[in-house]
Amino acid sequence: GAVVSQHPSWVICKSGTSVKIECRSLDFQATTMFWYRQFPKQSLMLMATSNEGSKATYEQGVEKDKFLINHASLTLSTLTVTSAHPEDSSFYICSASGGGTQYFGPGTRLLVL
Amino acid sequence: QKEVEQNSGPLSVPEGAIASLNCTYSDRVSQSFFWYRQYSGKSPELIMSIYSNGDKEDGRFTAQLNKASQYVSLLIRDSQPSDSATYLCAVSTFQGAQKLVFGQGTRLTINP
Repeated sequence: GAVVSQHPSWVICKSGTSVKIECRSLDFQATTMFWYRQFPKQSLMLMATSNEGSKATYEQGVEKDKFLINHASLTLSTLTVTSAHPEDSSFYICSASGGGTQYFGPGTRLLVL
Repeated sequence: QKEVEQNSGPLSVPEGAIASLNCTYSDRVSQSFFWYRQYSGKSPELIMSIYSNGDKEDGRFTAQLNKASQYVSLLIRDSQPSDSATYLCAVSTFQGAQKLVFGQGTRLTINP
């Protein structure tokens, strides 16, 4: 199956700093990537849909100025959590769409102190 | 009403038995249906996709779809302890895996 990588796998940062998470499709080109957030014992919640070369589409309630998404190429999308706060601590998972299927990255666990 | 509903469990099944996982969805125009498995602390991995009414089998897994009843299920035959995980049902109104809506997941435990 298709492989999607994420980097970093976990990050601890101080409140007020910004964190960038990279999502790469390693063996296929993905015109669309998705960013999800998952809090403990909850399901995945879609944050935004990222299309290569255009602005991301954010879900209702997700602040686009806080969660900056850049999809600069067919294999790379980045999520930047700006001015992170403890309530942003979560498991962030990206996925890439290929061949009618979404393939998930391994996730990035963010802890904001 | 939640868009995609699953029984959160936990569902306990003895090893070797059949595990049955159920999911209902509210949007009648849904076209694509997926089952993902998620181990604790890991990201989801795709098990099955189904698009047409009826059954679809892949190894020990069988997905069943009934669009009239807005119901999709996953059967796991010969359950193994390694099947213990949370199973997520995901639905899309698009063809293919665009903009998935996930259920809350069912936690399955296979008892040796």
